[in-house]
Amino acid sequence: AQSVTQLDSQVPVFEEAPVELRCNYSSSVSVYLFWYVQYPNQGLQLLLKYLSGSTLVKGINGFEAEFNKSQTSFHLRKPSVHISDTAEYFCAVSPVGFSGGYNKLIFGAGTRLAVHP
Amino acid sequence: ETGVTQTPRHLVMGMTNKKSLKCEQHLGHNAMYWYKQSAKKPLELMFVYNFKEQTENNSVPSRFSPECPNSSHLFLHLHTLQPEDSALYLCASSQRRNSGNTIYFGEGSWLTVV
Repeated sequence: AQSVTQLDSQVPVFEEAPVELRCNYSSSVSVYLFWYVQYPNQGLQLLLKYLSGSTLVKGINGFEAEFNKSQTSFHLRKPSVHISDTAEYFCAVSPVGFSGGYNKLIFGAGTRLAVHP
Repeated sequence: ETGVTQTPRHLVMGMTNKKSLKCEQHLGHNAMYWYKQSAKKPLELMFVYNFKEQTENNSVPSRFSPECPNSSHLFLHLHTLQPEDSALYLCASSQRRNSGNTIYFGEGSWLTVV
């Protein structure tokens, strides 16, 4: 079984400051890792994902995340945030080799990023 | 603009009503999903369909009844719901086969049970 822990439920930050949203996971098998963003009154949109290869993954809107297997973490970072980055961010994992024929995503509870002027 | 369209966006229903949520995807995917999103809780996977066949039912109460007439359309039929069923219901789709495939979400249907 897999589980995802997002360590901060809310992160307030000033515009143009850097931000890190933390994500840790637990799994007995290898996993793929995802970050999704949900803007107000919208569905979820993929920011980035790690499948294999380089552990530093770049996504849309200037976000990046680094996979750390030894620490079972996949933290999301942005060097300078904008007001428009205010949203809910979800970390998720799916087990590699799952044979159910679909993507079995397990989500964290989310982190609300609030960017202030 | 989204490749997954959900209607209605907002629905208020009484506990004795029968209503349906509709989802359509224009991405050529063959797996479709219903998720429930409640405040302060992780997204809960409710149902998954692959090529119109239900492959996952996460112990969802029978007052929620899914229907998948083809690989582009997915419905969630609702009847005799409870107030605790009030939530955002998200439809999603992906290509089958690979657990690393991206899941694409619709904008959701806000359901309020009164």
